[in-house]
Amino acid sequence: TQLLEQSPQFLSIQEGENLTVYCNSSSVFSSLQWYRQEPGEGPVLLVTVVTGGEVKKLKRLTFQFGDARKDSSLHITAAQPGDTGLYLCAGAGNQGGKLIFGQGTELSVKP
Amino acid sequence: EAGVTQFPSHSVIEKGQTVTLRCDPISGHDNLYWYRRVMGKEIKFLLHFVKESKQDESGMPNNRFLAERTGGTYSTLKVQPAELEDSGVYFCASSQNRGQGTSPLHFGNGTRLTVT
Repeated sequence: TQLLEQSPQFLSIQEGENLTVYCNSSSVFSSLQWYRQEPGEGPVLLVTVVTGGEVKKLKRLTFQFGDARKDSSLHITAAQPGDTGLYLCAGAGNQGGKLIFGQGTELSVKP
Repeated sequence: EAGVTQFPSHSVIEKGQTVTLRCDPISGHDNLYWYRRVMGKEIKFLLHFVKESKQDESGMPNNRFLAERTGGTYSTLKVQPAELEDSGVYFCASSQNRGQGTSPLHFGNGTRLTVT
């Protein structure tokens, strides 16, 4: 059974601080997706990383896929209150759309 | 374009009753998925339709759950009879391609099911 361990589960920081969220697995994924979810809404895709070692940037967010395609990280620089939300990582196997989700990281950025 | 639509947004039923959740995917998306998040747990895959055919139903918990996709358009997920452990948020998602990591899944806002 494929599992994705996401940490930390909760993170409360001050505006302007940096943070990193991790997703780790003993399984290899064909790709790794990061989602953000607001209360009462569904997850919204932020980025997909496909190649081992790949780094993608989305404004102040940096996503990295591990060389062995078993782990990934999300780094936020100078967090803003608008970054508050639930961040989810999800791994895709060779079967396509069937995603394995991590438990999520509830981020709170205080002004 | 309209997004994935799910209804109802909330449903509260008693144990033993039946509930039917509906999902309207984005028009033209052949792939439709059902996922569920039980409180305190991660979002878990339930099943995958390609058009009207069930491609993968390995995540369906048991035979109290029945999913259909009439004519390859909207989908329904029926729980009969509902049990307490069925409570959670049920998400539907659709994609144009097979979702091979590069085709994004578009999620609906979910149906929050509470079984009392």
